[in-house]
Amino acid sequence: EVQLVESGGGLVQPGGSLRLSCAASGFTFNNYRMSWVRQAPGKGPEWVASIKQDGSEKYYVDSVKGRFTISRDNAKNSLYLQMNSLRAEDTAVYYCARGLYGSSGYWYFWGQGALVTVSS
Amino acid sequence: QSVLTQPPSVSGAPGQRVTISCTGSSSNIGAGYDVHWYQHLPGTAPKLLIHGDTNRPSGVPDRFSGSKSGTSASLTITGLQAEDEADFYCQSYDTSLSAYVFGTGTKVTVL
Repeated sequence: EVQLVESGGGLVQPGGSLRLSCAASGFTFNNYRMSWVRQAPGKGPEWVASIKQDGSEKYYVDSVKGRFTISRDNAKNSLYLQMNSLRAEDTAVYYCARGLYGSSGYWYFWGQGALVTVSS
Repeated sequence: QSVLTQPPSVSGAPGQRVTISCTGSSSNIGAGYDVHWYQHLPGTAPKLLIHGDTNRPSGVPDRFSGSKSGTSASLTITGLQAEDEADFYCQSYDTSLSAYVFGTGTKVTVL
């Protein structure tokens, strides 16, 4: 059974940093592109970042470029999101997500989400 | 401001058919990028209903169907059920933004 379990969410002040982790199990992690998708309170989902299977390519939505870094450790079956210079508008539930197939441009498996609140 | 536009709400009685539109442009749907559809209930992760314009993942009821034409796509729910009351989002890729994008979302209400 595919499982994605996020951790590392919490309350942080504007300008602060936070690192999210996603522990993956039940599938061959290094065969799949992985992504972070967030959903702000009362808003629709928003794609944040994706990383290729071997970590060689990373993609970001414009609003987080230069502030967020996606990474993965295939030996540990783990995905990460380092978030710096956080803003109030980054407040959201952050989901670790995977597609049905290796490089799917959509998401079938989702974690339970990690709440990130940016507030003073 | 999303580049994929959906009607804010649609409604129907149990058993009826409802259709949700997703209007894009030549840089996303019109460029041939696949459209995918999700159902979202509060407090849960989005659930994939349709991928690749028309394909249902295993376990998704066949009352959900997708189509695409030109710069638009549609999700149709045939035989609406009370449990279908939720928010629905389309999703695609936009080459101008170099980003995966979601639609504005549609709330489906079962009367």
